[in-house]
Amino acid sequence: QKEVEQDPGPLSVPEGAIVSLNCTYSNSAFQYFMWYRQYSRKGPELLMYTYSSGNKEDGRFTAQVDKSSKYISLFIRDSQPSDSATYLCAMKGAAGNKLTFGGGTRVLVKP
Amino acid sequence: GAVVSQHPSRVICKSGTSVKIECRSLDFQATTMFWYRQFPKQSLMLMATSNEGSKATYEQGVEKDKFLINHASLTLSTLTVTSAHPEDSSFYICSAKISGAGGYNEQFFGPGTRLTVL
Repeated sequence: QKEVEQDPGPLSVPEGAIVSLNCTYSNSAFQYFMWYRQYSRKGPELLMYTYSSGNKEDGRFTAQVDKSSKYISLFIRDSQPSDSATYLCAMKGAAGNKLTFGGGTRVLVKP
Repeated sequence: GAVVSQHPSRVICKSGTSVKIECRSLDFQATTMFWYRQFPKQSLMLMATSNEGSKATYEQGVEKDKFLINHASLTLSTLTVTSAHPEDSSFYICSAKISGAGGYNEQFFGPGTRLTVL
């Protein structure tokens, strides 16, 4: 069983819809939770990070962490075709630098 | 700010040759850099952590003699794939962490290097 599980998709939505992404994890030591966006053949770009449980909003993006359920989510409002990419969740413990990534979800936003 | 570059962006080589990939932090100092490997439609797998002025720390299952890492300065880390074979073909991505940053230390990722071994 992988430490971090993420549905690979693809997730296809019409422009303007809400994109809902999530990851589940098994390691209760994870404290930092990140979402990255990766365009084809490019490096990942950090979108959001959250420490411990709670919600965080930044523009069209909202990240949620539920540590009791070991479940994190990312919501993208008013999705645009430029949001089409692979979205990776990543997690890290309180100490150290190692990021553990989910497998990524491919998102397609159709005009 | 916080830009990480990689060179080359793409390399094709013959089996048995060695390939060097450079990772540079352009506008910040990075005591620690990381090397990841990503297969098609799969996630990033950490290969090793590169520390300036000291030996790299390799993840379990990664051959240190095959993947040589040198972190010679606060802005440059190199990954050399020695005696490359077709199974080494992959997308190699580096990241860098800002030196001295407390709390959550964001890793900034490079654009990646696609290695194809014939």
